[in-house]
Amino acid sequence: QVQLVQSGSELKEPGASVKVSCKASGYTFTSYAMNWVRQAPGQGLEWMGWINTNTGNPTYAQGFTGRFVFSLDTSVSTAYLQISSLEAEDTAVYYCARGVNTGYFDSWGQGTLVTVSS
Amino acid sequence: NFMLTQPHSVSESPGKTVTISCTRTGGSIASNYVQWYQQRPGSSPTAVIYEDKQRPSGVPDRFSGSIDSSSNSASLTISGLKTEDEADYYCHSYDSSNQVFGGGTKLTVL
Repeated sequence: QVQLVQSGSELKEPGASVKVSCKASGYTFTSYAMNWVRQAPGQGLEWMGWINTNTGNPTYAQGFTGRFVFSLDTSVSTAYLQISSLEAEDTAVYYCARGVNTGYFDSWGQGTLVTVSS
Repeated sequence: NFMLTQPHSVSESPGKTVTISCTRTGGSIASNYVQWYQQRPGSSPTAVIYEDKQRPSGVPDRFSGSIDSSSNSASLTISGLKTEDEADYYCHSYDSSNQVFGGGTKLTVL
């Protein structure tokens, strides 16, 4: 069965960087897009962008350019989200979600809580 | 760019039927598929409706989705409400360059 397993919670100081992983299994990794979604505490879902797992080309949503980087390691079927120069406002749960070509996010990771605090 | 607007909260009694709306501002609701996700506290979102009205495997037929072009909105209807349906529900759609989620609706079953 399709599974997306994300790395564990992170506590970081302001100004640091964090890298969240999302390991896929149960399907051909390069056949589906990988999306990233942010959920701040008590807030709704916010699409951050996606990465083409075939070409490695990332697309970032408005508000997620500059400090946010999507990357892949197709040899281990894993997608990564790196955030640099962390700010308190980056405190959130970050989800990876597999995207079907009709726009449907059919499988989600369990989420990774990133807490930014001094 | 476009927006999806949902009511902040709805409540209904067990056994009743509730409908959650999702209104698109900017572009036609019918031009791109709409999905609905259920998110229980502390859990990841899971789809209950995809491609406007399709149910993923395992989702009971108490859940249904529809599109109304006249009001430019999508709706999620849950019939025979159960206490386990209490959750946040998000609509989701896209255009050529963006994926957009509605703000979410908290469903209370009391």
